[in-house]
Amino acid sequence: QLQLQESASRLVKPLQTLSLTCDVSGGSIKNDDYSWGWARQPPGKGLEWLGYIYHNGHSYYNPSLESRVTISIDTSANQFSLKLSSVTAADTAIYHCARVEIYSGYFDHWGQGALVAVSS
Amino acid sequence: DIQMTQSPSSLSASVGDRVSFTCRASQYISKYLNWYQQKPGKAPKLLIYSTSNLQSGVPSRFSGTGSGTDFTLTISGLQREDFATYFCQQSYSSNPYTFGQGTKLEIK
Repeated sequence: QLQLQESASRLVKPLQTLSLTCDVSGGSIKNDDYSWGWARQPPGKGLEWLGYIYHNGHSYYNPSLESRVTISIDTSANQFSLKLSSVTAADTAIYHCARVEIYSGYFDHWGQGALVAVSS
Repeated sequence: DIQMTQSPSSLSASVGDRVSFTCRASQYISKYLNWYQQKPGKAPKLLIYSTSNLQSGVPSRFSGTGSGTDFTLTISGLQREDFATYFCQQSYSSNPYTFGQGTKLEIK
């Protein structure tokens, strides 16, 4: 059973960089049929896709956040990571990692989510 | 960006009811529409992908229809565990993928 687990919830100061890691277990991150992505959900609001990465390192980002987002992958550790720079209060959200089926673009496995609060 | 609009934003129903939610895309998305269920404090769960394909393990009381810009999720015979929030997502364009704002299904 594939499982994804984000690193722990955290508090980040404004203008700092948010960093999260997603550990994948029960399956290989090197599967050619999937990419690995991040989405977030501000409290009480809907979901926003942030970006995804393939196991070969090619990544794609939401244009609205592209200047601040970096997703990386470590296939030896079966994990991938998110960095979001210059955060503000608007970046406060639950951040989910997920597996994305590459042909039809659906998110078929999700992590539980990590709450990131931006506050001084 | 392709905007996804869900209606209604909330719905009250009883166990055993048949309910339907709609999702409308701001432009043509072919069959690339996916539905998720989310319960408070939990991760979203994929229910249906590509309009009408039931994800493995999802009960057959869930079904999806539509094409182009208008899509519907139907639950036939509501169970207590179905009370949750439902999101749609378009995967026609990955630049960017976008989600609807959700429909909250509550017990009447």
